[in-house]
Amino acid sequence: DIQMTQSPSSVSASVGDRVTITCRASQGISTWLAWYQQKPGKAPKLLIHGSSSLQTGVPSRFSGSGSGTDFTLTISSLQPEDFAIYFCQQTDSFPHTFGGGTKVAIK
Amino acid sequence: QVQLVQSGAEVKKPGASVKVSCKASGYTFTDSYLHWVRQAPGQGLEWMGWINPNSGGARYAQKFQARVTMTRDTSITTAYMELSRLKFDDTAVYYCAKYNSDSYGGWFDPWGQGTLVTVSS
Repeated sequence: DIQMTQSPSSVSASVGDRVTITCRASQGISTWLAWYQQKPGKAPKLLIHGSSSLQTGVPSRFSGSGSGTDFTLTISSLQPEDFAIYFCQQTDSFPHTFGGGTKVAIK
Repeated sequence: QVQLVQSGAEVKKPGASVKVSCKASGYTFTDSYLHWVRQAPGQGLEWMGWINPNSGGARYAQKFQARVTMTRDTSITTAYMELSRLKFDDTAVYYCAKYNSDSYGGWFDPWGQGTLVTVSS
């Protein structure tokens, strides 16, 4: 199975800050990487697919990059509604594993 | 709009089975695979498997291979996930999600609202 390692596991930041989350795959997955945002009591919401393609309707302050084993999700200017948990997921091979999540909290 | 609506919360005893439904609308049901993911309280996301609504074929994560069955009823555009021989640590929110893909990757969107399954004696 491909292991997905996210870091950090949590980050405290202020409104307006730039936040970067990384995701490392245990083997190459090309660009078969998606990012999701999850708020308490809600289902995950797709942000980015294909490593860098912004899902329709998602604010442009979110961006993704990477290929192979190393990926990043960047929030360019953190907004109050962005405080949530973020997960990466590989869909290159089965099982479609998820990273452990990164909690973005208010500083 | 594309929507997945799941059945309501369940409480089951250890050793019992649970069957969760996922009603799809807003797209051609047989055109897209449906995946199932679970999330234990306060924990991360765990992929369980997929079903091809067109053929009825399914593939399961090895961890659940012996206990899970995914089926569908195309007449009512609904997929089902049945988990048997429930254990306390099967307590989780279970999600269905529609699979999409292009040349660069695959992704889950949308997700159902989730179904809480509580295993309690």
